[in-house]
Amino acid sequence: EVQLVESGGGLVQPGGSLRLSCITSGFPFTTYAMGWVRQAPGKGLEWVSVIRGSSGGTYYADSVKGRFTISRDNSKNTLYLQMNSLRAEDAAIYYCAKDRDYGLGSLFFDYWGQGTLVTVSS
Amino acid sequence: DIQMTQSPSSVSASVGDRVTITCRASQGISTWLAWYQQKPGKAPKLLISAASRLEIGVPSRFSGSRSGTEFTLTITSLQPEDFATYFCQQANTFPITFGQGTRLEIK
Repeated sequence: EVQLVESGGGLVQPGGSLRLSCITSGFPFTTYAMGWVRQAPGKGLEWVSVIRGSSGGTYYADSVKGRFTISRDNSKNTLYLQMNSLRAEDAAIYYCAKDRDYGLGSLFFDYWGQGTLVTVSS
Repeated sequence: DIQMTQSPSSVSASVGDRVTITCRASQGISTWLAWYQQKPGKAPKLLISAASRLEIGVPSRFSGSRSGTEFTLTITSLQPEDFATYFCQQANTFPITFGQGTRLEIK
């Protein structure tokens, strides 16, 4: 059974940092691209970042580029999102998600975690 | 960036009705489109990928189609569990973009 479990969310002051983790199981983690998608309360879905499985290539939304870093530890089947210089507009539920297709991937997300809430406030 | 314009933003329907939700891409994305269903407090669920490929376990009353840059999600014979919010997503080009969402409510 595929499982994705996020952690690391919480309350942080503007300008602060957080590191989100997503522990996965039930599939060959190394061979799948993984992503982060966020959702502000009552709003729609916003893609944040993707990391390829094999190549480790990374991609970011312009809104987080230069502030957020996606990474993965294939030995721990874990995905990370390091978030620096946080702003009020970064407040959201952050979901990690698995690419539907192995290898290069399709960037369709077939499994999602339960989400972790990030609140940015002084 | 590719803009995904989803309509309507909300729709009211009854159990047994047929509902159509549309997503228009601002430029060509071939069939790189997915549809997701999201219920309150839950993560999105992938329903359809590649514009018309029904995911395993998704009821056959859901279907997707494409005409150029216009994509349609059709739900026939609505069931109580179908009342949710639906999002489209393009996967053709970074940045990945989502439609604004369509809230499907019970009439």
